[in-house]
Amino acid sequence: AQSVTQPDIHITVSEGASLELRCNYSYGATPYLFWYVQSPGQGLQLLLKYFSGDTLVQGIKGFEAEFKRSQSSFNLRKPSVHWSDAAEYFCAVGPSTDKLIFGTGTRLQVFP
Amino acid sequence: GAVVSQHPSWVICKSGTSVKIECRSLDFQATTMFWYRQFPKQSLMLMATSNEGSKATYEQGVEKDKFLINHASLTLSTLTVTSAHPEDSSFYICSARDPRHGYTFGSGTRLTVV
Repeated sequence: AQSVTQPDIHITVSEGASLELRCNYSYGATPYLFWYVQSPGQGLQLLLKYFSGDTLVQGIKGFEAEFKRSQSSFNLRKPSVHWSDAAEYFCAVGPSTDKLIFGTGTRLQVFP
Repeated sequence: GAVVSQHPSWVICKSGTSVKIECRSLDFQATTMFWYRQFPKQSLMLMATSNEGSKATYEQGVEKDKFLINHASLTLSTLTVTSAHPEDSSFYICSARDPRHGYTFGSGTRLTVV
């Protein structure tokens, strides 16, 4: 069955600290992988996506993610977190032509 | 980049009335749009896949007579919550698939039924 797991429901970091949000997936074919961010009461904004090629993907707002096929993972990273990064982060997997499957999300809290 | 406009951003309605939510792709044509529902502090639950010119495909457990979806043009899909009840109160988000950018989401609609 196709699924996405985000093991961390809630993460708290200090501003300026590094960040890694975990995402593991189960998918029968070559996956298309996405990370989205959602601020309270807002829609989803695409941070980055992986379709093929270089397994280290650069996104907006200084985020990057690395696709590791052997570990079925697509973890999101940022070297230095800003207070404005506090939000809900969703990992998603899907084909290019059909619906996305979302993880349960990770809520990021940033302390000054 | 691709832009999806969702309207209204919030709506309050009386129990028993119907509410229509619009989802428009502004700078691309979307043959397929998706409607999601999100409960507080939870992930997105796909309700249905809307295909231009054909009937929507509903996920298991979603009442198609309750949540009417129309995708009459390549840039507009609508979700109508019929005979709304307080348990229909939720955050509804649409998404459109763009060949170049993948999936673009609307800003969501918060529905409150009183």
